[in-house]
Amino acid sequence: GESVGLHLPTLSVQEGDNSIINCAYSNSASDYFIWYKQESGKGPQFIIDIRSNMDKRQGQRVTVLLNKTVKHLSLQIAATQPGDSAVYFCAEMGGSAGGTSYGKLTFGQGTILTVHP
Amino acid sequence: NAGVTQTPKFQVLKTGQSMTLQCAQDMNHEYMSWYRQDPGMGLRLIHYSVGAGITDQGEVPNGYNVSRSTTEDFPLRLLSAAPSQTSVYFCASSYGRSSYNSPLHFGNGTRLTVT
Repeated sequence: GESVGLHLPTLSVQEGDNSIINCAYSNSASDYFIWYKQESGKGPQFIIDIRSNMDKRQGQRVTVLLNKTVKHLSLQIAATQPGDSAVYFCAEMGGSAGGTSYGKLTFGQGTILTVHP
Repeated sequence: NAGVTQTPKFQVLKTGQSMTLQCAQDMNHEYMSWYRQDPGMGLRLIHYSVGAGITDQGEVPNGYNVSRSTTEDFPLRLLSAAPSQTSVYFCASSYGRSSYNSPLHFGNGTRLTVT
Protein backbone atom coordinates (compact mmCIF):
# COMPACT_ATOMS: atom_id res chain seq x y z
CA GLY A 1 0.00 0.00 0.00
CA GLU A 2 0.93 3.64 -0.12
CA SER A 3 3.02 4.82 2.77
CA VAL A 4 5.52 7.40 3.76
CA GLY A 5 8.05 6.55 6.43
CA LEU A 6 11.11 7.85 8.16
CA HIS A 7 14.43 6.11 8.68
CA LEU A 8 15.29 7.77 12.00
CA PRO A 9 12.72 8.58 14.65
CA THR A 10 15.10 10.83 16.64
CA LEU A 11 18.01 13.05 15.76
CA SER A 12 20.18 15.01 18.19
CA VAL A 13 22.61 17.66 16.97
CA GLN A 14 24.71 20.45 18.37
CA GLU A 15 23.80 24.05 17.70
CA GLY A 16 25.49 25.22 14.53
CA ASP A 17 25.72 21.77 12.97
CA ASN A 18 23.87 20.81 9.82
CA SER A 19 20.94 18.41 10.22
CA ILE A 20 19.67 15.87 7.74
CA ILE A 21 16.26 14.26 8.18
CA ASN A 22 15.36 11.39 5.89
CA CYS A 23 12.11 10.04 4.53
CA ALA A 24 11.22 7.06 2.34
CA TYR A 25 8.07 6.81 0.28
CA SER A 26 6.57 3.89 -1.59
CA ASN A 27 4.06 5.44 -4.02
CA SER A 28 5.90 5.93 -7.30
CA ALA A 29 2.93 7.99 -8.58
CA SER A 30 3.45 10.68 -5.95
CA ASP A 31 4.21 13.98 -7.61
CA TYR A 32 4.41 16.42 -4.75
CA PHE A 33 6.27 16.27 -1.45
CA ILE A 34 6.18 18.55 1.54
CA TRP A 35 8.10 18.95 4.78
CA TYR A 36 6.33 20.17 7.89
CA LYS A 37 7.67 21.21 11.29
CA GLN A 38 5.58 20.68 14.41
CA GLU A 39 6.47 22.29 17.70
CA SER A 40 5.03 21.04 20.95
CA GLY A 41 1.38 21.99 21.36
CA LYS A 42 1.06 23.42 17.88
CA GLY A 43 -0.10 22.33 14.49
CA PRO A 44 2.28 21.37 11.66
CA GLN A 45 3.88 24.31 9.92
CA PHE A 46 4.88 24.27 6.26
CA ILE A 47 8.65 24.40 5.65
CA ILE A 48 9.34 23.59 2.02
CA ASP A 49 7.92 21.54 -0.83
CA ILE A 50 9.15 19.97 -4.04
CA ARG A 51 7.57 18.53 -7.15
CA SER A 52 8.59 15.25 -8.68
CA ASN A 53 10.09 16.97 -11.75
CA MET A 54 12.77 18.49 -9.50
CA ASP A 55 15.54 16.86 -7.48
CA LYS A 56 16.51 19.79 -5.29
CA ARG A 57 14.90 22.89 -3.89
CA GLN A 58 16.36 25.45 -1.51
CA GLY A 59 14.77 27.75 0.98
CA GLN A 60 16.09 29.83 3.81
CA ARG A 61 18.55 27.52 5.64
CA VAL A 62 16.67 24.48 4.35
CA THR A 63 17.14 22.27 1.31
CA VAL A 64 14.97 19.41 0.18
CA LEU A 65 16.45 16.66 -1.96
CA LEU A 66 14.36 14.17 -3.90
CA ASN A 67 15.74 10.92 -5.27
CA LYS A 68 12.99 9.29 -7.29
CA THR A 69 15.15 6.30 -8.21
CA VAL A 70 15.20 5.07 -4.63
CA LYS A 71 12.05 6.92 -3.51
CA HIS A 72 13.87 8.96 -0.91
CA LEU A 73 13.35 12.47 0.36
CA SER A 74 15.57 14.42 2.71
CA LEU A 75 15.47 17.73 4.53
CA GLN A 76 18.73 19.49 5.23
CA ILE A 77 18.83 22.27 7.80
CA ALA A 78 21.94 24.43 7.78
CA ALA A 79 23.41 25.88 10.98
CA THR A 80 20.77 24.24 13.15
CA GLN A 81 19.48 26.40 15.98
CA PRO A 82 17.70 25.51 19.25
CA GLY A 83 14.52 26.95 17.74
CA ASP A 84 14.66 24.21 15.11
CA SER A 85 13.94 21.59 17.78
CA ALA A 86 10.62 20.03 16.79
CA VAL A 87 9.06 17.03 15.08
CA TYR A 88 9.55 17.03 11.32
CA PHE A 89 7.09 15.30 9.02
CA CYS A 90 7.37 14.49 5.38
CA ALA A 91 4.18 14.17 3.37
CA GLU A 92 3.44 13.06 -0.13
CA MET A 93 0.56 13.76 -2.43
CA GLY A 94 -0.57 11.31 -5.07
CA GLY A 95 -0.69 12.17 -8.73
CA SER A 96 -3.85 13.59 -10.24
CA ALA A 97 -4.41 10.63 -12.56
CA GLY A 98 -7.53 8.78 -11.52
CA GLY A 99 -8.39 11.41 -8.95
CA THR A 100 -8.69 9.05 -6.01
CA SER A 101 -5.70 10.48 -4.17
CA TYR A 102 -6.07 13.93 -5.64
CA GLY A 103 -5.24 16.50 -3.01
CA LYS A 104 -4.86 14.01 -0.16
CA LEU A 105 -1.63 14.12 1.75
CA THR A 106 -0.10 10.99 3.27
CA PHE A 107 2.11 11.81 6.25
CA GLY A 108 5.06 10.00 7.69
CA GLN A 109 5.29 9.37 11.42
CA GLY A 110 7.80 12.12 12.08
CA THR A 111 11.39 12.57 13.28
CA ILE A 112 12.14 14.31 16.55
CA LEU A 113 14.97 16.80 16.12
CA THR A 114 16.69 17.98 19.30
CA VAL A 115 19.26 20.76 19.09
CA HIS A 116 21.65 21.10 22.01
CA PRO A 117 23.14 24.53 22.77
CA ASN B 1 -5.33 37.17 9.43
CA ALA B 2 -5.91 34.69 12.24
CA GLY B 3 -5.31 31.75 9.90
CA VAL B 4 -6.98 28.51 10.97
CA THR B 5 -8.71 28.70 14.34
CA GLN B 6 -9.83 25.62 16.23
CA THR B 7 -12.00 25.47 19.33
CA PRO B 8 -11.95 24.15 21.94
CA LYS B 9 -8.25 23.54 22.65
CA PHE B 10 -9.02 20.74 25.11
CA GLN B 11 -12.09 18.57 25.68
CA VAL B 12 -12.95 15.59 27.86
CA LEU B 13 -15.98 13.51 26.95
CA LYS B 14 -17.62 10.45 28.36
CA THR B 15 -18.29 7.48 26.14
CA GLY B 16 -21.49 8.01 24.16
CA GLN B 17 -21.51 11.79 24.36
CA SER B 18 -21.58 13.86 21.20
CA MET B 19 -19.83 17.10 20.45
CA THR B 20 -18.69 19.38 17.64
CA LEU B 21 -15.13 20.52 17.06
CA GLN B 22 -15.11 23.93 15.46
CA CYS B 23 -12.78 25.09 12.69
CA ALA B 24 -12.74 28.44 10.97
CA GLN B 25 -10.34 30.01 8.47
CA ASP B 26 -10.19 33.60 7.29
CA MET B 27 -7.96 33.11 4.24
CA ASN B 28 -10.79 32.40 1.77
CA HIS B 29 -9.39 28.92 1.26
CA GLU B 30 -11.37 26.57 -0.93
CA TYR B 31 -10.06 23.33 0.56
CA MET B 32 -10.49 22.30 4.19
CA SER B 33 -9.79 19.05 5.95
CA TRP B 34 -9.70 17.30 9.30
CA TYR B 35 -6.86 15.06 10.50
CA ARG B 36 -6.31 13.12 13.65
CA GLN B 37 -2.86 12.59 15.10
CA ASP B 38 -2.05 9.54 17.19
CA PRO B 39 1.32 8.38 18.51
CA GLY B 40 3.08 6.17 15.97
CA MET B 41 0.34 6.71 13.38
CA GLY B 42 1.14 10.09 11.95
CA LEU B 43 -1.62 12.36 10.69
CA ARG B 44 -4.60 10.59 9.16
CA LEU B 45 -7.27 12.24 7.06
CA ILE B 46 -10.82 12.01 8.45
CA HIS B 47 -12.92 14.14 6.08
CA TYR B 48 -12.27 16.89 3.61
CA SER B 49 -14.11 19.50 1.60
CA VAL B 50 -13.20 21.09 -1.73
CA GLY B 51 -15.70 23.89 -1.35
CA ALA B 52 -18.92 25.00 0.31
CA GLY B 53 -21.55 22.30 0.09
CA ILE B 54 -19.09 19.57 -0.88
CA THR B 55 -17.58 17.04 1.53
CA ASP B 56 -15.94 13.66 1.15
CA GLN B 57 -14.48 10.92 3.29
CA GLY B 58 -10.84 10.49 4.04
CA GLU B 59 -8.92 7.54 5.40
CA VAL B 60 -10.67 7.19 8.80
CA PRO B 61 -14.20 8.68 8.52
CA ASN B 62 -16.18 6.30 10.74
CA GLY B 63 -17.75 7.94 13.78
CA TYR B 64 -17.41 11.46 12.39
CA ASN B 65 -19.64 13.78 10.37
CA VAL B 66 -18.82 17.04 8.65
CA SER B 67 -20.64 19.78 6.82
CA ARG B 68 -19.49 22.82 4.87
CA SER B 69 -22.23 25.42 4.70
CA THR B 70 -19.81 28.33 4.29
CA THR B 71 -16.32 28.77 2.89
CA GLU B 72 -15.00 29.77 6.30
CA ASP B 73 -16.28 27.02 8.59
CA PHE B 74 -15.79 23.26 8.63
CA PRO B 75 -17.08 21.69 11.87
CA LEU B 76 -16.36 18.08 12.80
CA ARG B 77 -19.05 16.21 14.70
CA LEU B 78 -18.51 13.19 16.89
CA LEU B 79 -21.81 11.36 16.96
CA SER B 80 -21.22 9.03 19.91
CA ALA B 81 -17.75 9.37 21.38
CA ALA B 82 -15.65 6.27 21.96
CA PRO B 83 -12.29 5.87 23.76
CA SER B 84 -10.72 5.06 20.36
CA GLN B 85 -11.44 8.65 19.36
CA THR B 86 -9.07 9.98 22.00
CA SER B 87 -6.62 11.91 19.86
CA VAL B 88 -5.41 15.31 18.78
CA TYR B 89 -7.52 16.72 15.97
CA PHE B 90 -6.18 19.17 13.42
CA CYS B 91 -8.09 21.22 10.94
CA ALA B 92 -6.24 22.40 7.83
CA SER B 93 -7.00 24.52 4.82
CA SER B 94 -5.41 25.48 1.53
CA TYR B 95 -6.21 27.70 -1.41
CA GLY B 96 -6.40 24.75 -3.78
CA ARG B 97 -6.66 21.09 -2.92
CA SER B 98 -3.63 19.93 -4.79
CA SER B 99 -1.99 22.91 -6.40
CA TYR B 100 1.72 23.26 -6.12
CA ASN B 101 2.61 26.20 -3.88
CA SER B 102 -0.67 25.79 -2.05
CA PRO B 103 0.39 23.93 1.08
CA LEU B 104 -1.94 23.10 3.92
CA HIS B 105 -2.22 25.57 6.79
CA PHE B 106 -2.97 23.86 10.08
CA GLY B 107 -4.72 25.02 13.22
CA ASN B 108 -3.20 24.37 16.64
CA GLY B 109 -5.36 21.38 17.35
CA THR B 110 -8.03 20.15 19.74
CA ARG B 111 -6.90 17.62 22.31
CA LEU B 112 -9.80 15.24 22.95
CA THR B 113 -9.97 12.60 25.66
CA VAL B 114 -12.84 10.13 25.79
CA THR B 115 -13.24 8.24 29.06
